Amino acid sequence: AQSVSQHNHHVILSEAASLELGCNYSYGGTVNLFWYVQYPGQHLQLLLKYFSGDPLVKGIKGFEAEFIKSKFSFNLRKPSVQWSDTAEYFCAVMAYGNNRLAFGKGNQVVVIP
Amino acid sequence: NAGVTQTPKFQVLKTGQSMTLQCAQDMNHEYMSWYRQDPGMGLRLIHYSVGAGITDQGEVPNGYNVSRSTTEDFPLRLLSAAPSQTSVYFCASSYSKEYEQFFGPGTRLTVL
Repeated sequence: AQSVSQHNHHVILSEAASLELGCNYSYGGTVNLFWYVQYPGQHLQLLLKYFSGDPLVKGIKGFEAEFIKSKFSFNLRKPSVQWSDTAEYFCAVMAYGNNRLAFGKGNQVVVIP
Repeated sequence: NAGVTQTPKFQVLKTGQSMTLQCAQDMNHEYMSWYRQDPGMGLRLIHYSVGAGITDQGEVPNGYNVSRSTTEDFPLRLLSAAPSQTSVYFCASSYSKEYEQFFGPGTRLTVL
């Protein structure tokens, strides 16, 4: 079964700083990759996804992620964060032929105004 | 479309009580799933269904039952609640298992 690792569970940064969250997975085959965001008190929403094609994908609110197959990574980036980006971010992986979506443990991001 | 709905939003149970968490979707999605969210643990899959009449276990199925008699509904039953089941429960659905999942608002359950 695939597993997903997210590092630096708590991230605190100031507005306008750049954000990068790492995501690594353990599965050697074809995968679909997702980043979800959970704002305080809300349910999870899709930020962006990668199925195939251009490994650099752009999502909502200025977020982007890069799939590097050789590194089994799907890191999330935003060049300049805002206070409203305060949230918990989850990376998720579904392997082809597997019915289960595996989530990482999440990154709690706090943006200080 | 209402999307994915869950009831109740909050629930307090005593140890040993049983209850059913309701989940419904109106998007005609085939794939539905239940997760629990605990601090520092991310989301862990409890049970999932790839279509009406078909269910399977996820990562943490013990103490929970599910059924899928219709495409729209996917209830989660706690047979005999334990304090370890205190958590936030999310239901999700998607067009098929490979696609984006849409999440419900969650049920916050406390077992005393």
